[in-house]
Amino acid sequence: QKEVEQDPGPLSVPEGAIVSLNCTYSNSAFQYFMWYRQYSRKGPELLMYTYSSGNKEDGRFTAQVDKSSKYISLFIRDSQPSDSATYLCAMPWIPYNNNDMRFGAGTRLTVKP
Amino acid sequence: EADIYQTPRYLVIGTGKKITLECSQTMGHDKMYWYQQDPGMELHLIHYSYGVNSTEKGDLSSESTVSRIRTEHFPLTLESARPSHTSQYLCASSRGREARDEQYFGPGTRLTVT
Repeated sequence: QKEVEQDPGPLSVPEGAIVSLNCTYSNSAFQYFMWYRQYSRKGPELLMYTYSSGNKEDGRFTAQVDKSSKYISLFIRDSQPSDSATYLCAMPWIPYNNNDMRFGAGTRLTVKP
Repeated sequence: EADIYQTPRYLVIGTGKKITLECSQTMGHDKMYWYQQDPGMELHLIHYSYGVNSTEKGDLSSESTVSRIRTEHFPLTLESARPSHTSQYLCASSRGREARDEQYFGPGTRLTVT
């Protein structure tokens, strides 16, 4: 069983839709949860991170963590064509030492105008 | 945009050749990483470094080697390329020791070994 599972998609939605991207994980020791966004032919860039359970909002993006279910989500409201990218969830394996980051496979999202 | 650079961006090379993938960052970060990324697969850490003269292997077995002679430079070398080395290689760096510290990625080198 992979430590971090993420549906690779691809996911295609119309402009303005609400998008839900999800990851599950198996290790209850994970404490930080990150979302990276990767545009085509670019490296990933950090979009959001959360610590512990609950929601965190940043503009049109909301990151949600449910530690009891080992499930994290990224919601995108009013999706735009510029949101078309691959979204990777990531979790540092050992707190305070992120040389060992576990990444999901990434979900490829296309937002159609 | 992150100040981390990778060259070449694309490389097609024959089996048995020696290659070096370059990675440089101008942010003064101590920690640097090399990842391998294949379609539909998670990023796999192949090497990392805490600073000058420090290198460690990651969780993915790799036939490559790295060096860290200068803070800003972290090249990856394959002594004898094979078709199984065909992949996207991403270099990254981070500022410090906190788990939540952001990793800044370069644009990647897409390597094809024929």
